[in-house]
Amino acid sequence: SQKIEQNSEALNIQEGKTATLTCNYTNYSPAYLQWYRQDPGRGPVFLLLIRENEKEKRKERLKVTFDTTLKQSLFHITASQPADSATYLCALDTNSGYALNFGKGTSLLVTP
Amino acid sequence: EAGVAQSPRYKIIEKRQSVAFWCNPISGHATLYWYQQILGQGPKLLIQFQNNGVVDDSQLPKDRFSAERLKGVDSTLKIQPAKLEDSAVYLCASSNPGQSYEQYFGPGTRLTVT
Repeated sequence: SQKIEQNSEALNIQEGKTATLTCNYTNYSPAYLQWYRQDPGRGPVFLLLIRENEKEKRKERLKVTFDTTLKQSLFHITASQPADSATYLCALDTNSGYALNFGKGTSLLVTP
Repeated sequence: EAGVAQSPRYKIIEKRQSVAFWCNPISGHATLYWYQQILGQGPKLLIQFQNNGVVDDSQLPKDRFSAERLKGVDSTLKIQPAKLEDSAVYLCASSNPGQSYEQYFGPGTRLTVT
């Protein structure tokens, strides 16, 4: 069955640095992959979608790469700010409708 | 535009009791999802509706969970009887796949079963 792994430990970085989060998957070839942000007590918020035929996608300070050979996506936040502190979820499409299969998420803490 | 609405925001019940959650999706979104998120985990799909029809309920524990989406708009998710392991946040999401695959989530209902 489809398996998604994200950085198991929390990521602590200093303000201004680039944060890099990893999403690895097995037993599946997704048509697209999405990244969401989740703050405590709130529902996930969509950030970026990247399709299987795209290598890289950018949105402001965010960049996502997708390597279907390695079965890996990297999520980068450049010039990180304390406001970027949150849990970031990787999600893959499933074979069923438009539902998503989510990873456990990676907690990011940006300190001043 | 208004976001996905959910109620209640919090609920505490004893095991073996029943509980119901309500969701109002974004207007015009044909697809509605219920996810369960246990602390420290990512959301896990319980059921997906397309209009008022069920697309996928393979991970819904049907002996105790039920969901409906009458008239293809609002949806309710019910648990009867609740177990301790049902303690989680129940998230409702909606999407309009004809325009975009992104999903819009509500704030969730935090259920505690004692």
